Amino acid sequence: KNEVEQSPQNLTAQEGEFITINCSYSVGISALHWLQQHPGGGIVSLFMLSSGKKKHGRLIATINIQEKHSSLHITASHPRDSAVYICAVKETSGSRLTFGEGTQLTVNP
Amino acid sequence: GAGVSQSPSNKVTEKGKDVELRCDPISGHTALYWYRQSLGQGLEFLIYFQGNSAPDKSGLPSDRFSAERTGGSVSTLTIQRTQQEDSAVYLCASSGPGATLGPNEQFFGPGTRLTVL
Repeated sequence: KNEVEQSPQNLTAQEGEFITINCSYSVGISALHWLQQHPGGGIVSLFMLSSGKKKHGRLIATINIQEKHSSLHITASHPRDSAVYICAVKETSGSRLTFGEGTQLTVNP
Repeated sequence: GAGVSQSPSNKVTEKGKDVELRCDPISGHTALYWYRQSLGQGLEFLIYFQGNSAPDKSGLPSDRFSAERTGGSVSTLTIQRTQQEDSAVYLCASSGPGATLGPNEQFFGPGTRLTVL
């Protein structure tokens, strides 16, 4: 069992739909990251959070530390949101990030 | 430049040869990370440098892999006696003060795609 699991692995949506990507982890963490990897391979950080909820534009990230679960939501999805979304956790001990396998999101016009 | 740069962008080598991959982090960033992304796989941590501290090498898959960071800036990842299973995209990231998400926000380079024939 991976320490970080994401669901779904693949997600296809129609433009305008509300998207949710889930991340569960099994280790103690100091922070959780959501990353976006575009088809060209470039990776950008979307959120870092250790509690509660953060919002940036149409993106919302939440985390429940007790349940060891985080969600990434995209409101009013758009084809340009098509990318791989990756959840990563920074363990309480150590400096490494442990990554989920990513969720491939395709938003059709 | 303003971002993390890596070179080369692509490297094709023959099995058994040594390769060196370079990472130039964002100026002023004290932390530098190397990751590997094999085809169809998730990202895998390799090594982490923080300032003058001893690096965290716990992710290096074998003793054929090594990395150094000279002068707290540029880093080189060296793979000796390359094997076909080393084929992957090698990504570098750096973090430091002044980032929008906080000092632990990681900025990723474009990666080096390594192909071992």
